[in-house]
Amino acid sequence: QVQLMESGGGVAQPGRSLRLSCAASGFTFSAYAMHWVRQAPGKGLEWVAVISDDGNNKYYTDSVRGRFTISRDNSKNTLYLQVNSLRDEDTAVYYCAKDPGDYGDVRYYFDYWGQGTLVTVSS
Amino acid sequence: SYELTQPPSVSVSPGQTARITCSGDALPKKYAYWYQQKSGQAPVLVIYEDSKRPSGIPERFSGSSSGTMATLTISGAQVEDEAVYFCSSTDSSGNPLFGGGTQLTVL
Repeated sequence: QVQLMESGGGVAQPGRSLRLSCAASGFTFSAYAMHWVRQAPGKGLEWVAVISDDGNNKYYTDSVRGRFTISRDNSKNTLYLQVNSLRDEDTAVYYCAKDPGDYGDVRYYFDYWGQGTLVTVSS
Repeated sequence: SYELTQPPSVSVSPGQTARITCSGDALPKKYAYWYQQKSGQAPVLVIYEDSKRPSGIPERFSGSSSGTMATLTISGAQVEDEAVYFCSSTDSSGNPLFGGGTQLTVL
């Protein structure tokens, strides 16, 4: 069965960096686009970024472009999110999520989600 | 910019039909998706492409879309359906966006 397991969250000061990881199993990771979605405490969902199956195409929401970098290692079945120049408003649970479209057919919705990793930005 | 608007809360008694709406100007041209998030858990896809149900989702969950409004219907709501429900679609750039979420109370 599909499993997504995030890690790497924690407490970081404003302006610092973290690297989030998402280990995938139960499906052909290299065939699917992957997303990061975040949720501030007690708030709604916000899409953050997407990466194509081959890693060549990446798109971001405006509020993180230039500060966050999505990447993947298909040999390790792992998705990453490098989060730099952290701001208070980046405090959230970060979920990795699988796109249901395969081999370049990105559907922009999420058929499986991980359990999330909490990032807290605090001085 | 595109927005999706949901009512903050809906309340029904067990066995009743719950309807959760999602309005947005882009919905006539874009699919709607629905996610269920129970307290302390990750979201789960319950409806995709307006009205399709993923495998494993009970038949009491259905979706529809007409004009600028999409609707999630839970026929015969159960106590275990109590959750926050988020609608989703895509914006003018094709990026996903979410409604604010609707707390469904079944009691």
